[in-house]
Amino acid sequence: GAVVSQHPSWVICKSGTSVKIECRSLDFQATTMFWYRQFPKQSLMLMATSNEGSKATYEQGVEKDKFLINHASLTLSTLTVTSAHPEDSSFYICSAQQGGGQYFGPGTRLTVL
Amino acid sequence: AQSVTQLDSQVPVFEEAPVELRCNYSSSVSVYLFWYVQYPNQGLQLLLKYLSGSTLVKGINGFEAEFNKSQTSFHLRKPSVHISDTAEYFCAVSNSGGYQKVTFGTGTKLQVIP
Repeated sequence: GAVVSQHPSWVICKSGTSVKIECRSLDFQATTMFWYRQFPKQSLMLMATSNEGSKATYEQGVEKDKFLINHASLTLSTLTVTSAHPEDSSFYICSAQQGGGQYFGPGTRLTVL
Repeated sequence: AQSVTQLDSQVPVFEEAPVELRCNYSSSVSVYLFWYVQYPNQGLQLLLKYLSGSTLVKGINGFEAEFNKSQTSFHLRKPSVHISDTAEYFCAVSNSGGYQKVTFGTGTKLQVIP
């Protein structure tokens, strides 16, 4: 149980375009999901907390207009990187809270050319 | 505010030898503690977690960790490592309340040497 999926697993896009990443809890409902970013050889940095049916809570320094989060249902949260630039290239990981812990998706590798 | 310290960025160890990965935390409230493993280009897999109860927690793949409140530590141990244990290991802490924002340590790269 407690499986979280992400789609796509990797994406390459041109600078200036937008990219949407999906995070799904497959066998449980999650009112709260989290989005993290991980640079090479570094730890995970929390970007925002996604709450079903309400606005996301962003961490300090994260541009909410650039990283749009939508948590439309209890099993799906999406992160849209708008007007992507090469510096947005990173590994994006989501997690869903369930039973006193967080369960992580496999991550999405974003490369912006 | 919470913080997690993993002092060892890399730990080389020979195959079948024991290993301990250190983790210390600081928090002003009650916490939950976690260890996650990350293989290259993959997400995080939960190894084990401490929520309450017994301070010795057993996880998957033969790993265990002990919560020591007085020393604010949650070290990860395995009595005999395998090549397949080579990965990055992250210690994490969250508050034990309803909103569980998780703070991660910087990670420890475990390198198992054949």
